[in-house]
Amino acid sequence: EIQMTQSPSSLSASEGDRITITCRASQTIYNYLNWFQQKPGKAPKLLISHATSLQRGVPARFSGSGSGTEFTLTISTLQPEDFATYYCVQSYSTPLYTFGQGTKLEIK
Amino acid sequence: QLQLQESGPRLVKPSETLSLTCSVSGASISSSRFYWGWIRQSPGKGLEWIGSIYYSGITYYKPSLKSRVTISVDTSNNQFSLNLYSVTAADTAVYYCARAVPHNDGIGHYPDSWAQGTLVTVSS
Repeated sequence: EIQMTQSPSSLSASEGDRITITCRASQTIYNYLNWFQQKPGKAPKLLISHATSLQRGVPARFSGSGSGTEFTLTISTLQPEDFATYYCVQSYSTPLYTFGQGTKLEIK
Repeated sequence: QLQLQESGPRLVKPSETLSLTCSVSGASISSSRFYWGWIRQSPGKGLEWIGSIYYSGITYYKPSLKSRVTISVDTSNNQFSLNLYSVTAADTAVYYCARAVPHNDGIGHYPDSWAQGTLVTVSS
């Protein structure tokens, strides 16, 4: 099973900050890496697929990069609605997937 | 617009079977484009993909759960279901159903849409 290691597990930041979350795979997953946002009591929402493809309707302040085993999610200018938990998920081993442990983004 | 909704008992006794159904609207579960799956999130823990099913009934299960899981599809009602057998307190979790869509390169699928999730508690 491909292991996904996400860091940091939690992050405190202020509105307007730029933040980066990292996800590392235990083997190459090429660009089969996706990012989800989850807010309490809500369904996870897909932000980015294929490492870099922003989903329709997702603000441009979100971006993804990376390939192989190392990936990043960047939020360029934090907005109040961005405080949530973020997960990476690899889809190389489709149709079984594995997730990072999550990054809880909190207001400083 | 795609909507997925889980239904089923919220309380299950230890050693019994956890059964959930996911009702799909806004997409046909009979489409050859999609896979459908179940995921769970234990309190305070991360996300775990339990298994996936194709409209034809082909299934894929997480190896560590394979001996206790069955996922089935009901194309006539546009639903798919999860059965998890011999449950223990460790199976207490929020259970989600989800859809997976094809990668742009046509190789494999990735999860895109999820249901709200339902908390199932295993307790006597």
